[in-house]
Amino acid sequence: GESVGLHLPTLSVQEGDNSIINCAYSNSASDYFIWYKQESGKGPQFIIDIRSNMDKRQGQRVTVLLNKTVKHLSLQIAATQPGDSAVYFCAENGDTGFQKLVFGTGTRLLVSP
Amino acid sequence: EAGVVQSPRYKIIEKKQPVAFWCNPISGHNTLYWYRQNLGQGPELLIRYENEEAVDDSQLPKDRFSAERLKGVDSTLKIQPAELGDSAVYLCASRPGQGGEKLFFGSGTQLSVL
Repeated sequence: GESVGLHLPTLSVQEGDNSIINCAYSNSASDYFIWYKQESGKGPQFIIDIRSNMDKRQGQRVTVLLNKTVKHLSLQIAATQPGDSAVYFCAENGDTGFQKLVFGTGTRLLVSP
Repeated sequence: EAGVVQSPRYKIIEKKQPVAFWCNPISGHNTLYWYRQNLGQGPELLIRYENEEAVDDSQLPKDRFSAERLKGVDSTLKIQPAELGDSAVYLCASRPGQGGEKLFFGSGTQLSVL
């Protein structure tokens, strides 16, 4: 079946550092990918998304890179802040078009002041 | 604009008891989802509605779970009877029917079954 996984369950960084969170996906039919941030006690919050016809997309302090050859997705956070501490999930749409999202396990980002 | 609203935020029940969760999606969002999130894991889809029609309920344990979205707006998810393994966060999400891919999530209902 389709699956989305993350390489690192916990990432610890210092404030001001750049963070990179990685994600591997297995469904080659996926053409839409998205990153969510989830703080404790809250629902997932949209960060950035990317379609498969792109390999890079930038937002405010965040960049998503997509490598379809190796089925790899990454989220880069520039100048990481304590408020960035959360669990980050990648998700893909599989072969469903835009009907649903399949989530990975998540990576916890810990930012130390 | 109000986001996805869920209630209650927390629910503690004993096993074999019934429980219900309520969701009010973002106004105008035709597509509504119920996801379940176990501790330390990503959300897993339970059911998807397009307006009032359940179009994907393949992962809903139908022996004990039920859901409805009678008027194509609010939705309820019910478990009867609850089991210990049902302890999780139940998340509701919505998406515009056209032109929007990302899902907007509510804060979830954290269920503890004792």
